[in-house]
Amino acid sequence: GDSVTQMEGPVTLSEEAFLTINCTYTATGYPSPFWYVQYPGEGLQLLLKATKADDKGSNKGFEATYRKETTSFHLEKGSVQVSDSAVYFCALSDFTGGGNKLTFGTGTQLKVEL
Amino acid sequence: EPEVTQTPSHQVTQMGQEVILRCVPISNHLYFYWYRQILGQKVEFLVSFYNNEISEKSEIFDDQFSVERPDGSNFTLKIRSTKLEDSAMYFCASQGTRRTQYFGPGTRLLVL
Repeated sequence: GDSVTQMEGPVTLSEEAFLTINCTYTATGYPSPFWYVQYPGEGLQLLLKATKADDKGSNKGFEATYRKETTSFHLEKGSVQVSDSAVYFCALSDFTGGGNKLTFGTGTQLKVEL
Repeated sequence: EPEVTQTPSHQVTQMGQEVILRCVPISNHLYFYWYRQILGQKVEFLVSFYNNEISEKSEIFDDQFSVERPDGSNFTLKIRSTKLEDSAMYFCASQGTRRTQYFGPGTRLLVL
């Protein structure tokens, strides 16, 4: 089955630092990658997504490019804020006709300090 | 903006008891899912539901689990006889014609 590997946390950064969270995957079929974010005590929120190779998803200053040749979807942000502190999940969907279950990575906890 | 809702937000139950977790997906969505997240672990797929039947289920989704869409709006997950290891956060998600799933806030289940 599909699998997603993302860098382990926790990651601690100072405000305005550059963020990269690596995500790679193995999949059969025609996968689509996603990033979800989970703020403390809350559920999963879609952060960004890509639908085809070389697509760049972006939202709230975060970006990720779907690289099929390296099977990667690394998350980046140029200048993090304290409010970005959360757990970030890379996920992959693989459409099977009856829906597309998401396979999640283990999550990377980000803590941003002043 | 439409959102997925889940009730209850927290549920505490005794081992061996039945629990029903409820979800109201986004209206006009077609695909529905349940996932769970044991504390500190990754989010795991349980089951997907389309056209009033299960389309895929994981190994976790054994005979103790069932799903139902009884009235065209609610989507429920039932655990017949809870075990300690069922303690987790359970997320419902729904999806329309595009491949994006929208998640509810979750139900935290604690089995004692």
